[in-house]
Amino acid sequence: EAQVTQNPRYLITVTGKKLTVTCSQNMNHEYMSWYRQDPGLGLRQIYYSMNVEVTDKGDVPEGYKVSRKEKRNFPLILESPSPNQTSLYFCASSFAVDPSYEQYFGPGTRLTVT
Amino acid sequence: AQKVTQAQTEISVVEKEDVTLDCVYETRDTTYYLFWYKQPPSGELVFLIRRNSFDEQNEISGRYSWNFQKSTSSFNFTITASQVVDSAVYFCALSGGRNSGYALNFGKGTSLLVTP
Repeated sequence: EAQVTQNPRYLITVTGKKLTVTCSQNMNHEYMSWYRQDPGLGLRQIYYSMNVEVTDKGDVPEGYKVSRKEKRNFPLILESPSPNQTSLYFCASSFAVDPSYEQYFGPGTRLTVT
Repeated sequence: AQKVTQAQTEISVVEKEDVTLDCVYETRDTTYYLFWYKQPPSGELVFLIRRNSFDEQNEISGRYSWNFQKSTSSFNFTITASQVVDSAVYFCALSGGRNSGYALNFGKGTSLLVTP
């Protein structure tokens, strides 16, 4: 089944404790990205990747890192999480860097930083 | 700059009523794509429709229909004969240009509650 998977789905952590949220897709998609969703703000893009080893900042990259060493994986790294990073995170992928292709979203990761 | 406005924060209707969700967008691009996503209480994002800027034909899919009007920069979504299962948050989104990595610019969403 074609899908985007994220792990973990739920995470409660403390300020400053490094964490990684994994994202994997099995559709051989070139384009992957991360969004965060906050109440009243909709979804905002954090980082995106047009292909392996090619990543760039989105609208709200502060406090996050990403890597794209393999085509299928695009982990989101929070080196020193803070409470303002408490949010619902979505990973997305698309066949190519072209808006005519649908973006497939993962199920979301709900992160709470205390 | 790109912007998507969903002025209706919350809408409540009784089952079987028709409801229209408004979406107004701003862009300087001549080629762009508009999307609607549904987010049910379970939290996942469900793709509903994609429309490119050159295709102004209205689209109907079952009880769902979309009205795209470039003259008013609107892409409204109508649910006919609403059902309880339609209760969700609905997002309108606009594709960004290459400089933004084709990010989707989302509106803030409209929360629809359909009661029996």
